[in-house]
Amino acid sequence: SAVISQKPSRDICQRGTSLTIQCQVDSQVTMMFWYRQQPGQSLTLIATANQGSEATYESGFVIDKFPISRPNLTFSTLTVSNMSPEDSSIYLCSVRTHYNEQFFGPGTRLTVL
Amino acid sequence: AQTVTQSQPEMSVQEAETVTLSCTYDTSESDYYLFWYKQPPSRQMILVIRQEAYKQQNATENRFSVNFQKAAKSFSLKISDSQLGDAAMYFCAYRRGSGSARQLTFGSGTQLTVLP
Repeated sequence: SAVISQKPSRDICQRGTSLTIQCQVDSQVTMMFWYRQQPGQSLTLIATANQGSEATYESGFVIDKFPISRPNLTFSTLTVSNMSPEDSSIYLCSVRTHYNEQFFGPGTRLTVL
Repeated sequence: AQTVTQSQPEMSVQEAETVTLSCTYDTSESDYYLFWYKQPPSRQMILVIRQEAYKQQNATENRFSVNFQKAAKSFSLKISDSQLGDAAMYFCAYRRGSGSARQLTFGSGTQLTVLP
């Protein structure tokens, strides 16, 4: 398995500001992902974080709004930019191991006022 | 596109009893994986069990087992001897086995309540 930590665990932010969420995994993994879970909903993939290159975004998500970095095999960041109340969600980091199992971090609960 | 359907938004079970959560999926692929994840109130997504499509034998993990019906595209989760700690939202998920689009596709979830 993989142990994943996320910072911060929760935050309350003002409209128009940005928040960067960090994801750290305890071992090298093949792939890292960022998901969003809106209140009472299932998980939606935002993007795949690629090491050393631009992230691959899913339909409906753009780099200007959700810039992502992955400088090495164990660390990634997601920034939620120019936030609005509609961005209030849980943001989850996820990794896939060499054994093709996928694990999730504890999530970051974001509230935008 | 692949879709995953969980038709039971909520289920309840008496402690120590058995409950089955339903999941169906739609795909034209032959190589894929299926998963059940559990999300308790702590919101941590926990991998419960996984099934490779090429395996005919149903996966089991202690009190958790699946009934994988490939022809019917059905993947149900059975929880035996239910415990209070099993109370959570359960998500069924699908992933292609090969190709670039190998992301997880989730169902809408089933909220399981365990009654003491």
